[in-house]
Amino acid sequence: SQQGEEDPQALSIQEGENATMNCSYKTSINNLQWYRQNSGRGLVHLILIRSNEREKHSGRLRVTLDTSKKSSSLLITASRAADTASYFCATAPNTGNQFYFGTGTSLTVIP
Amino acid sequence: GAGVSQSPSNKVTEKGKDVELRCDPISGHTALYWYRQSLGQGLEFLIYFQGNSAPDKSGLPSDRFSAERTGGSVSTLTIQRTQQEDSAVYLCASSQTGGAVGELFFGEGSRLTVL
Repeated sequence: SQQGEEDPQALSIQEGENATMNCSYKTSINNLQWYRQNSGRGLVHLILIRSNEREKHSGRLRVTLDTSKKSSSLLITASRAADTASYFCATAPNTGNQFYFGTGTSLTVIP
Repeated sequence: GAGVSQSPSNKVTEKGKDVELRCDPISGHTALYWYRQSLGQGLEFLIYFQGNSAPDKSGLPSDRFSAERTGGSVSTLTIQRTQQEDSAVYLCASSQTGGAVGELFFGEGSRLTVL
C-alpha cells in the first residue's frame, strides 16, 4: 500500500501541552499535507509542505518533512480542547493524481 | 456555493437497492475526488475527475460503482445493488488544480447505511 501511516493511533493530553503526531510513507512525493477531521464532519486542510521543504509553520502548527526517512511530523503547541479531532496525513506521489491518506491519529485534549 | 456540498447527508437503504450520491464542488475547481471512509478508518480513493480528461477510476472497488461529472461541475456517484460492506461515509473533495499539487476542500460527506 502507498498509504501513509500515522503514529500514534490515539493520543490523549492535557490542555496546554504539546501534541506530536508522525506520518510515514512509502513512495517519493511531490508534497505532503495534514488534514483535521472533527467527529462526523469532513476533512479540513491544515498545512501543505512540499518535497523540497523541511519545515513549515502555521500559527500553533509546525510540520517537518524528512524525505530521506519518508516521514513527517505535525506538532500542535499549547493545545486546546477545541483541537480534539482526528488528524490525517495525505501524500501526493510524484506520479499520479490521487492523494493517499493514512488511518489517522485521534487526538483528545482534556480541559 | 462557498464550499463543497454533498447530498444526501444520510442515506439508509436496503441491500440490493441502487443509491446515488451527489457532490457539488466549489465553483471553478477543476479537480474532483471521491473517497470512502469506513468507520474508524482512513480514506480510500475511489475516483478522480480533472477537467475534460478521462476520469481515473482505478479506485472503484467493483463494477457496481460508477461516477460521472456533468459539465465539469456536479458529480454523481452511483452504487448499484448495494451490499452491507458498502456502508461507509462517502466524501467528495475538490481542488483548484489537478495533479495532486494543491489542497483539497472536502464536503461533509454522505453517510450510507445498507441494511
